Amino acid sequence: SYELTQPPSVSVSPGQTASITCSGDKLGDKYACWYQQKPGQSPVLVIYQDTKRPSGIPERFSGSNSGNTATLTISGTQAMDEADYYCQAWDSSSYVFGTGTKVTVL
Amino acid sequence: QVQLVESGGGVVQPGRSLRLSCAASGFTFSDYGMHWVRQAPGKGLEWVAVIWYDEINKYYADSVKGRFTISRDNSKNTLYLQMNSLRAEDTAVYYCARDGGGTSYPLDYWGQGTLVTVSS
Repeated sequence: SYELTQPPSVSVSPGQTASITCSGDKLGDKYACWYQQKPGQSPVLVIYQDTKRPSGIPERFSGSNSGNTATLTISGTQAMDEADYYCQAWDSSSYVFGTGTKVTVL
Repeated sequence: QVQLVESGGGVVQPGRSLRLSCAASGFTFSDYGMHWVRQAPGKGLEWVAVIWYDEINKYYADSVKGRFTISRDNSKNTLYLQMNSLRAEDTAVYYCARDGGGTSYPLDYWGQGTLVTVSS
């Protein structure tokens, strides 16, 4: 079965840039989505179709996808961005989530 | 606005059954695929199943195939998950989510979740 691997944690200082990677076999040939989940809350879609932001998602969130790696970038990270982030892709009628990354804003 | 409200969770003994429901509003339910996604305590997200708008095409994660059945009633704007032969490892918060469609099939709206605890 298809697998997506993320680093367990990423730390970033306020105002700096956080990059979260998601690795999977030929992931660049598929579309990647990203979700943000804060403690005790439901996930929220922040990036879809590799690079697109849903309405209401701040411009500081951006995405890319090439080769075997998709990347979520948070520019000018704010304290409110501290959360768990999950990548997701669709493969052969199966939806796969990444292992998740905890972003800590120090 | 889009609303998804899950219900039916609770404590159930191993081997027993439970049916979850998800009431949808704020959009044309029959136009969208719908998912169930679960999250075990302190763990990551795990996709469970999807049913397309036509009520016919359904797909499942290997971990639940043969035990869980996803269904929908478009006349009632409601999604269901019938869970049979429950195991301790099925303990999780179960979310329903809308499939945004298009080319990347994002899960664009999520419910608040309902907790299922499988324990004797």
